[in-house]
Amino acid sequence: DSGVTQTPKHLITATGQRVTLRCSPRSGDLSVYWYQQSLDQGLQFLIQYYNGEERAKGNILERFSAQQFPDLHSELNLSSLELGDSALYFCASSSGGGVSYGYTFGSGTRLTVV
Amino acid sequence: GIQVEQSPPDLILQEGANSTLRCNFSDSVNNLQWFHQNPWGQLINLFYIPSGTKQNGRLSATTVATERYSLLYISSSQTTDSGVYFCAPEDSGYALNFGKGTSLLVTP
Repeated sequence: DSGVTQTPKHLITATGQRVTLRCSPRSGDLSVYWYQQSLDQGLQFLIQYYNGEERAKGNILERFSAQQFPDLHSELNLSSLELGDSALYFCASSSGGGVSYGYTFGSGTRLTVV
Repeated sequence: GIQVEQSPPDLILQEGANSTLRCNFSDSVNNLQWFHQNPWGQLINLFYIPSGTKQNGRLSATTVATERYSLLYISSSQTTDSGVYFCAPEDSGYALNFGKGTSLLVTP
């Protein structure tokens, strides 16, 4: 157990729908990162939050949004889902504002859009 | 962002063999990590190695930052080493840039 908890582990939904993925960081970690792993794009950074504030943005679609709550858990919202959004979505956390503080991944949420 | 090239893309080894995985990156980096993604999809941090050499059991890694490459050595490979190995240099202190990985299969 890495200490980073992601729920649900699996999610199957239809095109056009909206889903929410949840991440609880390791105890004491202030930063949460979201990554998407798909067959064609590989592992891509989506977005980072640090202590409730958005810190950095990567290749995140406008249909996707995220937030970090006061208890530091984070949610990634995916809307108007398309078949191509099917992927493994990872959350990672670190104690500080960047990679240098150590980086631990959760076990991921596998999203299938049908 | 930083471009990352990993080689070889695929590797098949017999149990007990040694191997070297290479990672080239396009720009100077402050930090670099190696990950193993097991067949169940979990990403496991192997090394945090911006420069120099580190060893952990049968695995070791070397990063030569000035020449923009990193190597991962696996000795006496075991079937549990199977999976995909990713090199991920840091980009601007906020995110990791992952290569496409080396897919390793260790056969009994």
